[in-house]
Amino acid sequence: GNSVTQMEGPVTLSEEAFLTINCTYTATGYPSLFWYVQYPGEGLQLLLKATKADDKGSNKGFEATYRKETTSFHLEKGSVQVSDSAVYFCALCDLRGYNKLIFGAGTRLAVHP
Amino acid sequence: DTEVTQTPKHLVMGMTNKKSLKCEQHMGHRAMYWYKQKAKKPPELMFVYSYEKLSINESVPSRFSPECPNSSLLNLHLHALQPEDSALYLCASSQDPGAGQPQHFGDGTRLSIL
Repeated sequence: GNSVTQMEGPVTLSEEAFLTINCTYTATGYPSLFWYVQYPGEGLQLLLKATKADDKGSNKGFEATYRKETTSFHLEKGSVQVSDSAVYFCALCDLRGYNKLIFGAGTRLAVHP
Repeated sequence: DTEVTQTPKHLVMGMTNKKSLKCEQHMGHRAMYWYKQKAKKPPELMFVYSYEKLSINESVPSRFSPECPNSSLLNLHLHALQPEDSALYLCASSQDPGAGQPQHFGDGTRLSIL
């Protein structure tokens, strides 16, 4: 079945450091891929998306590229800020099931000044 | 600011109480979802409504009863809950149920069962 695997956290970085959060997936067909972010006490916010192979999603300095050959969708940011501290979820959309989302376990990011 | 509005933000109830969670969206989305999220875990899907009809029930206990009165509203009726039901309950919506569209989430209702 469909599944998403994320690198385990927590990830602790200093401000302005480079961020990579790894995400790989197993799926039938070509699902849409998403990164969601959850700040403390809030719901999930869509950070970026990609709908087909080689698509690059980007938002707020974050980027991720849909790599079909490696079944990956790694999240990157060149220079993190304290305000980026949150939990990040990689997810795929099961096209057969009413846009049902399959989430990774989540990666907690802590950025220190 | 979120375009999916959930009320109340916090709810404390006893195991014999009956309460309801409410969710509203005015984006014209035709699919709506309920999730349960425990601390440090990803959201778990509970129900999916597509065009106001229940399309998916992920084997949720009957003490949780969803309702979709119209295309903008989604309710979750709660009765005789257990302490393990304490969690963050998230509502989401998506534009089209079958086109790979992203889901948009509300900020959730944090539920505590005494």
